[in-house]
Amino acid sequence: QKEVEQNSGPLSVPEGAIASLNCTYSDRGSQSFFWYRQYSGKSPELIMFIYSNGDKEDGRFTAQLNKASQYVSLLIRDSQPSDSATYLCAVNRGADKIIFGKGTRLHILP
Amino acid sequence: DTEVTQTPKHLVMGMTNKKSLKCEQHMGHRAMYWYKQKAKKPPELMFVYSYEKLSINESVPSRFSPECPNSSLLNLHLHALQPEDSALYLCASSQDRTQGTEAFFGQGTRLTVV
Repeated sequence: QKEVEQNSGPLSVPEGAIASLNCTYSDRGSQSFFWYRQYSGKSPELIMFIYSNGDKEDGRFTAQLNKASQYVSLLIRDSQPSDSATYLCAVNRGADKIIFGKGTRLHILP
Repeated sequence: DTEVTQTPKHLVMGMTNKKSLKCEQHMGHRAMYWYKQKAKKPPELMFVYSYEKLSINESVPSRFSPECPNSSLLNLHLHALQPEDSALYLCASSQDRTQGTEAFFGQGTRLTVV
């Protein structure tokens, strides 16, 4: 089992709809969780981080964490074409070891 | 300010060359990272420095040699690389080890080994 798993996509979502991105992780000792957005040829940009069970909202983005199910998700409301990118789920396993999933390619349809 | 600065942005080197990648942050972050990213793949962790000491080496070949001269600077010395080492090399930093701290990335160095 991979440490951090994501569907590679592409996930196609109409403009204005909600995009839902999912991630599971294998190490129950993982402490904090991140979502990064990466445009082609660019470096990852931090979108959200979460470390407590429940929801965390920031503008159009909501991160959800369920440690019992080892599951973290990202919701993007009112999706815009500029949201089209690869979304990387990352997990801090402790002692600064931040591991990335393969990423989900998101395509917002105009 | 969440800026991590990497130089150079692009680097082409021969297999017999010695070069260095540089990374700088002035956010007072105590952990600094090197990642390698190949096309259409996620970043792969190479090294982590915590409080200027090497804390994680992910079994990286010795032709990659990290150095942390001070809390703001991180170098990656390259020697006798192979063409398959061509990739985007990303530096990141984070505040400290405590729960909830996030890592910020520089813009990366696109390395081509010929």
